[in-house]
Amino acid sequence: GEQVEQRPPHLSVREGDSAVIICTYTDPNSYYFFWYKQEPGAGLQLLMKVFSSTEINEGQGFTVLLNKKDKQLSLNLTAAHPGDSAVYFCAPHSGGNYKPTFGKGTSLVVHP
Amino acid sequence: ETAVFQTPNYHVTQVGNEVSFNCKQTLGHDTMYWYKQDSKKLLKIMFSYNNKQLIVNETVPRRFSPQSSDKAHLNLRIKSVEPEDSAVYLCASSFTGASSYEQYFGPGTRLTVL
Repeated sequence: GEQVEQRPPHLSVREGDSAVIICTYTDPNSYYFFWYKQEPGAGLQLLMKVFSSTEINEGQGFTVLLNKKDKQLSLNLTAAHPGDSAVYFCAPHSGGNYKPTFGKGTSLVVHP
Repeated sequence: ETAVFQTPNYHVTQVGNEVSFNCKQTLGHDTMYWYKQDSKKLLKIMFSYNNKQLIVNETVPRRFSPQSSDKAHLNLRIKSVEPEDSAVYLCASSFTGASSYEQYFGPGTRLTVL
């Protein structure tokens, strides 16, 4: 089955700084790639998605990049603000799979 | 409002008691999931249902049993809770197919076993 490594587990930055979270996956059939955001006391919320065919997506101050050759997915935040403080999870998906796999999460703290 | 709803938000109980958690989605999805999230935020899938049918049943203790009356509802019962059952239980739903595999999560039920 899919194995997902996510790093770093913790990330602390100042407001306005950039931040990068990286996931490495193993299943070559993964086609759909999701990033979820979890704020304290809440469930996960879909933040961004990218497909194997597109490899890049941008929005809400984030950029998602897919490197299929290295089976690596990154979430790039160009200018962090305190509202971005949350736990972020990556989730590659091969489609038709009822057992989704998530990374272990990255706790991002943005200091004013 | 279309979303995933969970009740209760919190539940505190003692070892050996039985608890039930409810989940309902109004998104018209065909697949629902239960996850256990521990204190380190690690997500572990427990069950997946597609159109009321159990598809994934991970290695969880037999005291956990899911129940689905229709594809919009998925409940979780725990008979005789143990201290290690203390966690947040997250319900989610999705479509499977048609390039729409993203999941929508409820707010979770936090269980504390004393």
